[in-house]
Amino acid sequence: NAGVTQTPKFRVLKTGQSMTLLCAQDMNHEYMYWYRQDPGMGLRLIHYSVGEGTTAKGEVPDGYNVSRLKKQNFLLGLESAAPSQTSVYFCASSWGAQGYTFGSGTRLTVV
Amino acid sequence: GIQVEQSPPDLILQEGANSTLRCNFSDSVNNLQWFHQNPWGQLINLFYIPSGTKQNGRLSATTVATERYSLLYISSSQTTDSGVYFCAVERMDSSYKLIFGSGTRLLVRP
Repeated sequence: NAGVTQTPKFRVLKTGQSMTLLCAQDMNHEYMYWYRQDPGMGLRLIHYSVGEGTTAKGEVPDGYNVSRLKKQNFLLGLESAAPSQTSVYFCASSWGAQGYTFGSGTRLTVV
Repeated sequence: GIQVEQSPPDLILQEGANSTLRCNFSDSVNNLQWFHQNPWGQLINLFYIPSGTKQNGRLSATTVATERYSLLYISSSQTTDSGVYFCAVERMDSSYKLIFGSGTRLLVRP
């Protein structure tokens, strides 16, 4: 049982490049989330989804887009990467208030 | 928006010592959770505790929702307890979205 899997684990981008981070969960959870963690800080919510085909903005959505075409997958896109988007990105899923499960994170550096 | 404050920001313990971590929040919440982020970055859910007290081995947590705080107790600390402990709350109007505090960084020395 893999839980929540994030790919890739590491990535270096040049300013202006685009990329997509993939999150996959095998727990049949309805809710999925993308967070970012900056040094010395807690996690901040970027976007989230309450079910297949739905997405919504979180606390820090600017510069990111998301899609949830299948229940088990939640994609996070950066259309034009900026150095301010250097961070560790975490995906999570849950079946409600409980059962929050995080992926192992993606470390992204934008140079 | 809701504010989540954790204290202390940093804590160093000798193995075997006990500790209490505190989480204060500025508004009513639907739920509160405690997470441990290990030195490799993995986040583990410790407690779902919107109110009351729960215990899991050497760890226990208490949330007093009416006074807007939660406490995490670590007894007989071990080096494997090292890492960052986060408190996270869900606003009353939220879809299970969590607002995280900035964490307590714990180092347990052998």
